Amino acid sequence: GAVVSQHPSRVICKSGTSVKIECRSLDFQATTMFWYRQFPKQSLMLMATSNEGSKATYEQGVEKDKFLINHASLTLSTLTVTSAHPEDSSFYICSAALPTGAYEQYFGPGTRLTVT
Amino acid sequence: KNQVEQSPQSLIILEGKNCTLQCNYTVSPFSNLRWYKQDTGRGPVSLTIMTFSENTKSNGRYTATLDADTKQSSLHITASQLSDSASYICVVDSSYKLIFGSGTRLLVRP
Repeated sequence: GAVVSQHPSRVICKSGTSVKIECRSLDFQATTMFWYRQFPKQSLMLMATSNEGSKATYEQGVEKDKFLINHASLTLSTLTVTSAHPEDSSFYICSAALPTGAYEQYFGPGTRLTVT
Repeated sequence: KNQVEQSPQSLIILEGKNCTLQCNYTVSPFSNLRWYKQDTGRGPVSLTIMTFSENTKSNGRYTATLDADTKQSSLHITASQLSDSASYICVVDSSYKLIFGSGTRLLVRP
């Protein structure tokens, strides 16, 4: 199956700093990538949809200036959490979509962000 | 409002036993229904995808059913193993937007 990686798997940063999370599709080209956030014992919440070469589409309530998304190539999307606060601590998961058939989304392993 | 509801919220079973997880949805438009397994601290992994016309689909010891008329789905796990301990998430694809259920947390005990 298609493989999606994320880096880093865990990151701890101080309040007010920025942190970048990378999402890569390793063995396929993904024109669309998605970023999700998951709080403990809750399900995934879509933050934004990222299309290669264009601006990301953010879900209602997600600050685009705080969560910067760049999808510069067909295999890489990045999420930068700017001026992080403790309430941004969460599990961030990306997925990459294969634009065929049922439009399967393949999820990355996630990044645990802790803001101190 | 599009919703996906799962039950039970959590479940504990003994190794080797079978179990069935439920999913009810009110989503429109409907493209397909997916079941994912999510281990703690990991991303979801796809188990099955079913379109409107499919009633059942199997993946090893996992068998999913779909009743599009009643908008219900189930995931049956046969001969459970300790490694089946995870959250199982029902997801409905609504024109490429995924609507997630809150998941069932399954614990398989020896």
